[in-house]
Amino acid sequence: GAGVSQTPSNKVTEKGKYVELRCDPISGHTALYWYRQSLGQGPEFLIYFQGTGAADDSGLPNDRFFAVRPEGSVSTLKIQRTERGDSAVYLCASSLTQELSYEQYFGPGTRLTVT
Amino acid sequence: AQTVTQSQPEMSVQEAETVTLSCTYDTSENNYYLFWYKQPPSRQMILVIRQEAYKQQNATENRFSVNFQKAAKSFSLKISDSQLGDTAMYFCAFMKHNYQLIWGAGTKLIIKP
Repeated sequence: GAGVSQTPSNKVTEKGKYVELRCDPISGHTALYWYRQSLGQGPEFLIYFQGTGAADDSGLPNDRFFAVRPEGSVSTLKIQRTERGDSAVYLCASSLTQELSYEQYFGPGTRLTVT
Repeated sequence: AQTVTQSQPEMSVQEAETVTLSCTYDTSENNYYLFWYKQPPSRQMILVIRQEAYKQQNATENRFSVNFQKAAKSFSLKISDSQLGDTAMYFCAFMKHNYQLIWGAGTKLIIKP
């Protein structure tokens, strides 16, 4: 079956602009996660959803970052007033449930470049 | 706070050799999971192997095995009979009780022909 997909694959934007990054999880997966991976580093947790609600948004760096998942499937990560420090690969993952034993399946990521 | 440390930024071995990647972590929790993920240049993060902390037996998946030392908080990955397709970044990760993955900085593994 289809895996996790993310669009766009690459996004270049100017400093100060607004961007939206989309994640399509595996069908039937109730848990969805966003991570940010800066160059040469491991991913950092941003937020996770169980169904439609954000169960933990403690990793969002500031109020310029916001994510939604209105129907419990597709999620959109929104970044306002982008800064050059936001440049990174944004990874999305989904899992069958939020239980510890279930593997998180990752998408290929969106590479965001803020010029 | 939980942390994950990978002390080897880069390693390289000849094809067919065995290589071990190191990982240590710090946590006060008793029940958790540990993972090794592989990230090739395509950026897709692929699960290699996972270990439940309450299991004493080390996990194995074909050519991949771990040496899990809970008391020492060590979780190393051994790759036997390495193949060219094993070339990638390898990340060690710890799963917190609230389902976040905490990641190490990664080890770049190069398999030479």
